[in-house]
Amino acid sequence: KAGVTQTPRYLIKTRGQQVTLSCSPISGHRSVSWYQQTPGQGLQFLFEYFSETQRNKGNFPGRFSGRQFSNSRSEMNVSTLELGDSALYLCASSLARQTNTGELFFGEGSRLTVL
Amino acid sequence: DAKTTQPTSMDCAEGRAANLPCNHSTISGNEYVYWYRQIHSQGPQYIIHGLKNNETNEMASLIITEDRKSSTLILPHATLRDTAVYYCIVRRYSGGGADGLTFGKGTHLIIQP
Repeated sequence: KAGVTQTPRYLIKTRGQQVTLSCSPISGHRSVSWYQQTPGQGLQFLFEYFSETQRNKGNFPGRFSGRQFSNSRSEMNVSTLELGDSALYLCASSLARQTNTGELFFGEGSRLTVL
Repeated sequence: DAKTTQPTSMDCAEGRAANLPCNHSTISGNEYVYWYRQIHSQGPQYIIHGLKNNETNEMASLIITEDRKSSTLILPHATLRDTAVYYCIVRRYSGGGADGLTFGKGTHLIIQP
């Protein structure tokens, strides 16, 4: 069974640009959530999608957005990039059913460097 | 979600049991205790979770105190590949939804050869 796949794995952008990251969840998983990891702030929750709807959102500015498609694949977008957006962006998927107990399965992440 | 407190770092000899403590004194009755670990440069990996009873799986055991204010993750026979940052997370889980996990600083477990 394939795990969570994130693309691209590494990318470099400059300030002011925008970036789109992609996540393919484990087959059958309907929930996708995104996290940002930086050395200073650690792992922080960005948002969670279920059935193409954003259900939970962390404390990030509106420059961070996401969406989920009907096949559960998800993308997140960061506009007007700032140096502080340099981070490892992690995607996690979950079954999200009543009988499931909520464990998340993470991808390897997309490492974004903003110059 | 309730806050957790973990030691910053711990050492353990290879082959011995690694016992990682976690305090969660403000845990609510409907909050679970989850453990994840993150090996350098990889995404976090789910280990185990529990509500009230002790739990065991192929990776680890989770011991939760009767008052639920603390727990211990046990890796029974630690190997060098268990060197990682271990996160204890207390989280309310409602079936059908995945609330955001609140990761603290975790415990950096170093397995010594």
